[in-house]
Parts: sequence; structure tokens; C-alpha cells
Amino acid sequence: SQQGEEDPQALSIQEGENATMNCSYKTSINNLQWYRQNSGRGLVHLILIRSNEREKHSGRLRVTLDTSKKSSSLLITASRAADTASYFCATDALYTGTASKLTFGTGTRLQVTL
Amino acid sequence: GAVVSQHPSRVICKSGTSVKIECRSLDFQATTMFWYRQFPKKSLMLMATSNEGSKATYEQGVEKDKFLINHASLTLSTLTVTSAHPEDSSFYICSAGTSEYEQYFGPGTRLTVT
Repeated sequence: SQQGEEDPQALSIQEGENATMNCSYKTSINNLQWYRQNSGRGLVHLILIRSNEREKHSGRLRVTLDTSKKSSSLLITASRAADTASYFCATDALYTGTASKLTFGTGTRLQVTL
Repeated sequence: GAVVSQHPSRVICKSGTSVKIECRSLDFQATTMFWYRQFPKKSLMLMATSNEGSKATYEQGVEKDKFLINHASLTLSTLTVTSAHPEDSSFYICSAGTSEYEQYFGPGTRLTVT
């Protein structure tokens, strides 16, 4: 399966600044999700945006989706040191009957410094 | 929220031996579980889809005889890496699907083959 591309690959910002990560994908999707992964740990689901939605908010997170450009962005506002992690987008295009197969992007490693 | 556990969290084995990794959904039933592999600082690559009571579906390029998957119950899927070699060293993550949109990820298992 093809993977999406994320940019930047790495991002370093200071606490309080906003962080923007972008994700591009190649095939038509049903939904796009963003996940967070702390080093050496599992994934934590952040937010899901459906293909018919353009923008979604959850706390300090804002996600946009442009299906015509096959791209999405994740904005973290007022970043904190605890936001330091890798962030992945994941698209699903195939529903197996009980759960969808996810294709993950390459990820953005975010470093938030004090 | 739904919790998925993996055991062991870390395992070191000698080349040529087999290693079994368990993935359990603790408070829900999962008809479908997924197994992923992740190399350092890389994204997750789907290895196979595990369906309870039936054979797993492997992604292209994944050797089904090397990575044996068993989904014997609605709360347990196992991945056995047979005749492990150093190149099999990786971070293995499972996820359990509860609906079309929701997947919950385990904390991962770090396999090191010496």
C-alpha cells in the first residue's frame, strides 16, 4: 500500500508557539485520522476527520482536509513541552467489515523546547 | 476508553529461535486486529489483518510462514516470529478495531534478535 507523505519530517519550536504539520496522500479516502506517538510507545488517537468535512477542532488541535489536493494539516496551538512526540496521519480506504485498514504517513517529529 | 495490551513489551532472543507476541483487547471484543511493524524513526507498516476464526490476510511482501498470526478469540491475537533473524528486530504494534472508524493501539513490543 502507498504511504502518505508528511512534512516537515522534523519540527522544533518553543513552548507557546503553534506547530503545523502537513500530510499528503495518494488515493481516495473515507476518513483521515491523526495519531500521536511518544518515543518507543504505542499510538494515541487524536482526531478523525471525514472525507466530507473540511475542518475540525478538538481542544488545542485543529485539523483541515482538502480532498481536492489530497492533503490535510494538523495545527497544535500554544504548544507545550508535553506535546513533544511524533505525529502521524493515517488514511483509510478499505473497510474490512469490522474495521478499516489504515495507511500511515511518514510522520513528523515535533520537539517543543522550554 | 478501550484498552489494548501487548505482551511482552520487550524481548531479546537469539537468532533462529521463535518469539510469540500477544495482543489483547482488555475490555472489548475485537473481531479484527491488525499487526504493524515500525523501524526506528519510521512510520508504521501494516503487516497483516487478523480476523477471529479465520486466516489472517497478509500485506504484499510479508512472509506468512515467517510471521504466523493466530486470532483464536475475540480478545486475543498472537504474532509468532519464526526462526528470527537480526533483520526481524523491530517494534511490533497491534491494533484492535471496534467499528469502521475506531482502532485502538497496543503499546508495542520491542523485539531484538541477537
